[in-house]
Amino acid sequence: GENVEQHPSTLSVQEGDSAVIKCTYSDSASNYFPWYKQELGKRPQLIIDIRSNVGEKKDQRIAVTLNKTAKHFSLHITETQPEDSAVYFCAASINSGYALNFGKGTSLLVTP
Amino acid sequence: GAVVSQHPSRVICKSGTSVKIECRSLDFQATTMFWYRQFPKQSLMLMATSNEGSKATYEQGVEKDKFLINHASLTLSTLTVTSAHPEDSSFYICSARRTVEETQYFGPGTRLLVL
Repeated sequence: GENVEQHPSTLSVQEGDSAVIKCTYSDSASNYFPWYKQELGKRPQLIIDIRSNVGEKKDQRIAVTLNKTAKHFSLHITETQPEDSAVYFCAASINSGYALNFGKGTSLLVTP
Repeated sequence: GAVVSQHPSRVICKSGTSVKIECRSLDFQATTMFWYRQFPKQSLMLMATSNEGSKATYEQGVEKDKFLINHASLTLSTLTVTSAHPEDSSFYICSARRTVEETQYFGPGTRLLVL
């Protein structure tokens, strides 16, 4: 089955700096890669996703890049703000409608 | 946007009792729903895939007789934790697949505490 590795497990940055979270996956059949933000005790919220036919996608301060050859994808957050502090999960699936295999999560702390 | 609800949001029960958790897609029909479990400070782990009108597909290591899943309608899936034990205490989250865009939407989760 699919195995998703996520690094780092914790990340602390100063407000205004950039944050990068990286994930690798094992199943070459995976073609859908979403990123979720989860605040304590709440549901995961989809913040951005990318499909295998695209190498990069950007939405304001958030961007995701995908390297299918190397089987890795990354989340980039620029101009971080304290409200970006949360746990971020990457996931992989063979299709957006199929079950998601999650990484272990990255706890991001943005300090003022 | 699509809305998924879960009920109850929190439940405390005694060891040995059964607990039913409902997952509803409020404004769309979901032929497929997924059940995940999340222990404190850990990731979401898929427990089972629930398909309307058919038997659920369980992930390896998940006991189907302990975690009963019923998906009787296009808007409702239920997870029943039978004979709950303290180690079943966890955050249970469902997601529903919206067929039109094939995107999954998560419910708010149910926090289960078994005493």
